[in-house]
Amino acid sequence: DAGVIQSPRHEVTEMGQEVTLRCKPISGHDYLFWYRQTMMRGLELLIYFNNNVPIDDSGMPEDRFSAKMPNASFSTLKIQPSEPRDSAVYFCASSPLTDLAFGSGTRLTVV
Amino acid sequence: QQPVQSPQAVILREGEDAVINCSSSKALYSVHWYRQKHGEAPVFLMILLKGGEQKGHDKISASFNEKKQQSSLYLTASQLSYSGTYFCGTIKAAGNKLTFGGGTRVLVKP
Repeated sequence: DAGVIQSPRHEVTEMGQEVTLRCKPISGHDYLFWYRQTMMRGLELLIYFNNNVPIDDSGMPEDRFSAKMPNASFSTLKIQPSEPRDSAVYFCASSPLTDLAFGSGTRLTVV
Repeated sequence: QQPVQSPQAVILREGEDAVINCSSSKALYSVHWYRQKHGEAPVFLMILLKGGEQKGHDKISASFNEKKQQSSLYLTASQLSYSGTYFCGTIKAAGNKLTFGGGTRVLVKP
């Protein structure tokens, strides 16, 4: 199994631009999570899905953030418009309801 | 609500022991432990589902006191490879979200 696959690994964008992060979970995992990691705030849960349905999006910072899971093998996290304070490492993780398997993360820098 | 970890950082000599604590103000269904190396993703170590349960992973073990809503991670005879940041994550009910603590940075020196 290739594990959780995220793309891109690094993204540098200008303030105001739209950013789309992508995730392919492990096949058979019913849960998908999006986390954001910064030095100041640690690992924050943004949103999680169960069987492609968003269950809890209370961690999404504001309306500029949106996440979708159109099918069991793909999810996106979109930021529009992006701001410098969105700079962080964004992790996608999938789970069969027990342990989480994390992707390698996307390091986002908004300048 | 985020669980609270202590200490925030610990420095060990190879072969020494350390304990990392994780506490919650709410009743817990399970506790997870993960380790993250610098520049890498967190990696699952173990999950504890029952009160008083203890589990082990190599010479790393953990306990979960359901009544006190606390978990402890024990690093025994630490190795250089144990260096990294350890996160506890807590779940309040089955199928609920996993919330991570602030992390404990561990540095093992030769």
